[in-house]
Amino acid sequence: EVQLVESGGGLVQPGGSLRLSCSASGFTFSSYAMHWVRQAPGKGLEYVSAISSNGGSTYYADSVKGRFTISRDNSKNTLYLQMSSLRAEDTAVYYCVKGRGRGLDYWGQGTLVTVSS
Amino acid sequence: QAVVTQEPSLTVSPGGTVTLTCGSSTGAVTSGHYPYWFQQKPGQAPRTLIYDTSNKHSWTPARFSGSLLGGKAALTLSGAQPEDEAEYYCLLSYSGARPGVFGGGTKLTVL
Repeated sequence: EVQLVESGGGLVQPGGSLRLSCSASGFTFSSYAMHWVRQAPGKGLEYVSAISSNGGSTYYADSVKGRFTISRDNSKNTLYLQMSSLRAEDTAVYYCVKGRGRGLDYWGQGTLVTVSS
Repeated sequence: QAVVTQEPSLTVSPGGTVTLTCGSSTGAVTSGHYPYWFQQKPGQAPRTLIYDTSNKHSWTPARFSGSLLGGKAALTLSGAQPEDEAEYYCLLSYSGARPGVFGGGTKLTVL
């Protein structure tokens, strides 16, 4: 059974940093691209970042480019999102998602990040 | 960046049929956009219903089907059930480095 468990969310002040983790199990983690998708309160889904199976290729939405860094440790079956210079508009539930072909497959339950003073 | 459009809201009667659509600002949606459909119920994470236009996951109820219709991707629900009341999002893939673009979502009410 595929499982994706996010952690690391919480309350952080504007300008602060946070690192999200996603622990994966039930599939061969190193064979799949992985993604972070976020959802602000009451809003739709927004692509944040993606990383290829071997970590050699990454993508960032313009809204987070230069502030967020995606990485993965295939030996630990774990995906990360390092977030810095956080802004109020980064407040959202962040979902870890397994890639499938040109899209998305299994979703984690999400972790809430709140940026507020 | 392309804009993906969906109906903001739709209503269907229990047992009825409804079609949700997903359009692209760049022109007709084709199989080359690899349309995906996701269902999100209140307080829950999204789950993938349809991938690559019309393929279903093992958990996708048979009453859901995906297709291309009139230059758009379409999600048809035949025989709506109260538990189908949810937000539905589509995702289209475009050439280049970015993974894809989400539509704004359709809030489906079963009433």
